[in-house]
Amino acid sequence: SQQGEEDPQALSIQEGENATMNCSYKTSINNLQWYRQNSGRGLVHLILIRSNEREKHSGRLRVTLDTSKKSSSLLITASRAADTASYFCATVPNKAAGNKLTFGGGTRVLVKP
Amino acid sequence: DGGITQSPKYLFRKEGQNVTLSCEQNLNHDAMYWYRQDPGQGLRLIYYSQIVNDFQKGDIAEGYSVSREKKESFPLTVTSAQKNPTAFYLCASSGPGQGRGEAFFGQGTRLTVV
Repeated sequence: SQQGEEDPQALSIQEGENATMNCSYKTSINNLQWYRQNSGRGLVHLILIRSNEREKHSGRLRVTLDTSKKSSSLLITASRAADTASYFCATVPNKAAGNKLTFGGGTRVLVKP
Repeated sequence: DGGITQSPKYLFRKEGQNVTLSCEQNLNHDAMYWYRQDPGQGLRLIYYSQIVNDFQKGDIAEGYSVSREKKESFPLTVTSAQKNPTAFYLCASSGPGQGRGEAFFGQGTRLTVV
């Protein structure tokens, strides 16, 4: 079973537009992480947000976390063609539940030049 | 330089054969993970290990086996009991503190049954 579920499954935007994707999860977490995957490659870590944080920024990335709704969002501002990739959220459960890092199904983002 | 290495990049398996995928890291991470990815899908956890000589089943462990005899190495064996093994396999490691931080991924092994 997947802990995180991303929405939408696919997103197509023009270069310069913002891209927003959401992640919902089921159980209590220690932290939530976002990753990027280019086709046929390994995943690259983008940003980690802890359960006691509500918002975090890294360059053109903005992540929010709402633990009451068990959801997170990733915003990519001023998108570029090079942002074309799949984006995944992953959760680390709280201490009592162990350190199982579980991924969602991903959002495929296409940025058209 | 530090990182996580998977080999081989491509692997072909005949029906009924066991094959072993290699994963090595020199990041001094305690936690290591194996995931399976099918085309257009997310990552599903096969096995994970938080410390040497210990590992736990993930969500789809049936037909797979692992060992963790050294901190640096976490090989995955795909056994003949795995009926549909064709997939992209990804290994990851994370640390410190038994893996609560970001995970680093290898470049994957693409396994095909012929």
